Amino acid sequence: DAGVTQSPTHLIKTRGQQVTLRCSPKSGHDTVSWYQQALGQGPQFIFQYYEEEERQRGNFPDRFSGHQFPNYSSELNVNALLLGDSALYLCASSLLSGGTAGNTIYFGEGSWLTVV
Amino acid sequence: KQEVTQIPAALSVPEGENLVLNCSFTDSAIYNLQWFRQDPGKGLTSLLLIQSSQREQTSGRLNASLDKSSGRSTLYIAASQPGDSATYLCAVEGGSEKLVFGKGTKLTVNP
Repeated sequence: DAGVTQSPTHLIKTRGQQVTLRCSPKSGHDTVSWYQQALGQGPQFIFQYYEEEERQRGNFPDRFSGHQFPNYSSELNVNALLLGDSALYLCASSLLSGGTAGNTIYFGEGSWLTVV
Repeated sequence: KQEVTQIPAALSVPEGENLVLNCSFTDSAIYNLQWFRQDPGKGLTSLLLIQSSQREQTSGRLNASLDKSSGRSTLYIAASQPGDSATYLCAVEGGSEKLVFGKGTKLTVNP
């Protein structure tokens, strides 16, 4: 059973550029959430996708956008990159349609983004 | 707004020692609390999930407790080993599968 997979694992971008990160959720999961983890900090919630729609959003600017596909995979897009966007971006998957909160949330290995 | 605090920020212990990591949260209206392990440069591995109606969960040498009314959780690691060295993160869920994390405790177990 494949867990949560993310790509790419590492990438370097220049200020002002745009980046797309990808995530495939754990088999059977229908909900994908994205988190940003700066060095030495805990992960911060960016947004969550369910049924191809953004279901809830954290305190991140509109430069951060996403998409969920019919197969539940997801993309995170960041436009006009800033140096402060350098972080580990984590994808998490869960099963929302199971009806109860409290299901274990599974994380991928993350994508390391460095903005220079 | 939910805030999660983890104490201590870093901990260094000799191999074989039993230890306790602490987590506190400001809003007791949570669905569950989850403890994660993170190795350097890696993603998060779920260790234990405690539902809001539960008091504790155990997995091997790990035991996590939850006191929702006081906003506290502890992660107890018995007979620590060098392979336990990692950062341990506590996260609470207030519903809808969104997690609020602490900054973590960096644990070093010395041989």
